[in-house]
Amino acid sequence: GAGVSQSPRYKVAKRGQDVALRCDPISGHVSLFWYQQALGQGPEFLTYFQNEAQLDKSGLPSDRFFAERPEGSVSTLKIQRTQQEDSAVYLCASSKTTGPGYTFGSGTRLTVV
Amino acid sequence: DQQVKQNSPSLSVQEGRISILNCDYTNSMFDYFLWYKKYPAEGPTFLISISSIKDKNEDGRFTVFLNKSAKHLSLHIVPSQPGDSAVYFCAASASSGGTSYGKLTFGQGTILTVHP
Repeated sequence: GAGVSQSPRYKVAKRGQDVALRCDPISGHVSLFWYQQALGQGPEFLTYFQNEAQLDKSGLPSDRFFAERPEGSVSTLKIQRTQQEDSAVYLCASSKTTGPGYTFGSGTRLTVV
Repeated sequence: DQQVKQNSPSLSVQEGRISILNCDYTNSMFDYFLWYKKYPAEGPTFLISISSIKDKNEDGRFTVFLNKSAKHLSLHIVPSQPGDSAVYFCAASASSGGTSYGKLTFGQGTILTVHP
């Protein structure tokens, strides 16, 4: 596709429910990032993949958060036993190379009730 | 610990005038700086960047200035247009220290409103 595609666009989860958020990066892009953006804040780094290798997961807030990119293209961010503080927009970004110039998707807005 | 700060939550400017958005950082390892623009319900889009070896970068109506000694950068938009109304994020990255792959640290954002 022409851009980074994320699905679903909106997700409402009951507290304690597991959720899975999908990211389809631009075809051929090596680097893939996940960021979390709380209301009124800037995006915060969660994790980074280079192809299928997860090279940095230092931003994942707890062991309830898990990300994968098994074939080096589509990535899934999974959140287990969701809590209210997980409510945020989750942004995915991808880049053809390494380095800071990458393209963001429109995000998935997660609301935990 | 907020390593990148945008101290003005909002800015209102008249069409045709200059908009100046400010950003401060604390981490001296940062050597590449970017500005992103974000419309509601969309992801951030890249606007302009500057490397620490420069003090100014210009692209059309947009100019970014970097003052390394003050750890301060600013984005100038001249002339401002109503379509520039959006949230602007300052972001920084470090090419060493294990994050050379492009990890970004963002500020909190400044809401710019340009009035016709």
